[in-house]
Amino acid sequence: GQSLEQPSEVTAVEGAIVQINCTYQTSGFYGLSWYQQHDGGAPTFLSYNALDGLEETGRFSSFLSRSDSYGYLLLQELQMKDSASYFCAVRGASTGGFKTIFGAGTRLFVKA
Amino acid sequence: DTAVSQTPKYLVTQMGNDKSIKCEQNLGHDTMYWYKQDSKKFLKIMFSYNNKELIINETVPNRFSPKSPDKAHLNLHINSLELGDSAVYFCASSPALADSYEQYFGPGTRLTVT
Repeated sequence: GQSLEQPSEVTAVEGAIVQINCTYQTSGFYGLSWYQQHDGGAPTFLSYNALDGLEETGRFSSFLSRSDSYGYLLLQELQMKDSASYFCAVRGASTGGFKTIFGAGTRLFVKA
Repeated sequence: DTAVSQTPKYLVTQMGNDKSIKCEQNLGHDTMYWYKQDSKKFLKIMFSYNNKELIINETVPNRFSPKSPDKAHLNLHINSLELGDSAVYFCASSPALADSYEQYFGPGTRLTVT
């Protein structure tokens, strides 16, 4: 089966850097995605790692280590608008092709 | 222009009723999905369709029946609604099954069963 673990809550100060970790278990791993969801809103795609290493997109970076079944999302220069839930999602194999399983989400609170 | 749209946005109904949620995407994507997000924000895949064909059915009760009349639409019909069906239902799409790592979500339908 597939499972993911990420912290339920993280609190940080505006302007700081925060790292949200994600560990996963899956068969037929293809990659790890990150999504952001504001309260009352829809999940929006942030980044995807298929290979080991760091992917940078503006203030957000995502890292993957396939040998450790581990990844993280790094948010720099935190802003109040970054307060949201962040989901890691693993893309694995299924009988129909690919299947994406989401973690339970990490709620990020950014304080002034 | 809305990329992935769902109707209705809110749905309040009584136990035992039958209801439908509609989803449309204008992105030209081949693959569409239904997710259920419960009160603890856990986002669970229900169904995945690729070019109108069912690809994934995640042990969802038979009361839930998706229908894809064409690859731009994926509707969800729910029979005999139960209290536990209360949740936010999200429709999503991706360019192809191979691109399932980047999904575009609709605004969600908040279903409340009383």
